[in-house]
Formats: sequence, C-alpha cells, structure tokens
Amino acid sequence: DTAVSQTPKYLVTQMGNDKSIKCEQNLGHDTMYWYKQDSKKFLKIMFSYNNKELIINETVPNRFSPKSPDKAHLNLHINSLELGDSAVYFCASSQERQLNTEAFFGQGTRLTVV
Amino acid sequence: QKEVEQNSGPLSVPEGAIASLNCTYSDRGSQSFFWYRQYSGKSPELIMFIYSNGDKEDGRFTAQLNKASQYVSLLIRDSQPSDSATYLCAVKGTGRRALTFGSGTRLQVQP
Repeated sequence: DTAVSQTPKYLVTQMGNDKSIKCEQNLGHDTMYWYKQDSKKFLKIMFSYNNKELIINETVPNRFSPKSPDKAHLNLHINSLELGDSAVYFCASSQERQLNTEAFFGQGTRLTVV
Repeated sequence: QKEVEQNSGPLSVPEGAIASLNCTYSDRGSQSFFWYRQYSGKSPELIMFIYSNGDKEDGRFTAQLNKASQYVSLLIRDSQPSDSATYLCAVKGTGRRALTFGSGTRLQVQP
C-alpha cells in the first residue's frame, strides 16, 4: 500500500501554463507538506497544512496555491509557470503531536518548464 | 547562517570502512533530529531519528546528538556500496514547524 502518493510523477509544460499536482496520504496523519527540491538537492518547505488549516506559508510566489479538501489530501496549483519553477516537488505527511514527527515522503513530481 | 548545515561532499570511503556524516543547526530550541537517505531520483527515506543527547544505535547506523554544541552526526559502520546516496540531516525546531533540511552530504562507498 502506498503511504503518500502524488501524481503526476513527471510533468513537462510550457511557460505560462497552469498546472496542478495532487497528493494523498493513507497514514491517518494530521499534517501534510509541500517541499521543493532544486537542482542542488536542497529540500525547502513551501507549505504545511494541519487538519486542513494552513500553518506554514513560506516565502513562495503567490502563483503557488495549495488546497487541502480534507486532511488526507493536499494539492498544489501553480499559475503562470516560469522556467525557475522547474524542480522536484515532494509531498509529505506526519503526525504533528508526536516528538518523533517523522515526515513520510511521496515519490516526487519532477516538473520541467520549457 | 543556514538553519541546518552539512558538508556537501562527496565523502568517499572504501567498502567496510566507517562513514561519518556531520550536521550543525542554529535553532537552540530544536527538539528532534532526523537522518534521511535519498538515492538519486528517489524520495527521502528515514534512517534514524534522535531527540536525547548521546548515541542511538540501529544496526550499522549510530546517530549522535550534542545539543550544547548544536551538532548531530551519523556513523555508518561497515559501509557498503549500496549505502552510496545523499544523506539529509533534518531538524524539527520550536513551535509548529516543518522539518528543516540541510543541503545533504553525498556519500560514495568505493568497492
């Protein structure tokens, strides 16, 4: 059983387009995240939702809009895509109240903007 | 100053040797510390977590934490070529924060 699944795995699109990435977790976790991993492998937090409430919103262009319809799903919509948005986007989930709040990651979505 | 710092490497060790990976963090109130392994093209997967000062052992892996020095390390004994990957140090800081990652250390184990 896949714990954190995100789709699509690969996404190639032209500049200016709008695209969405979907994420679902079946671990019963209350917190979900979007991370961006650049070409230098640096994983940077973008957003975090706890029980559908936005709790972390890092300095991210407002072209990026997360949406959490329920605590098992967290989607990422990106408007007016730019070349610099090319990266691997990881969804993750964790159980916030535990001290060892390990984050489980999805398989990643490699976004290429051309 | 970066919140979590790691040497990017590559760290090259011969098969069977001990690999030592280091990480420092800036938030003195940080509570939990994690080591993730990431193979090329794959997602990060947890190796170990630690939240008390001292050593924690799991198989060939030992995590060490020194909160006074704000330092975390991971030792891999009897390194295998399959251990070749990027190792990410992650820290959970104060408050309702996500894990903050270092930029990772690339480990190469030479057969």
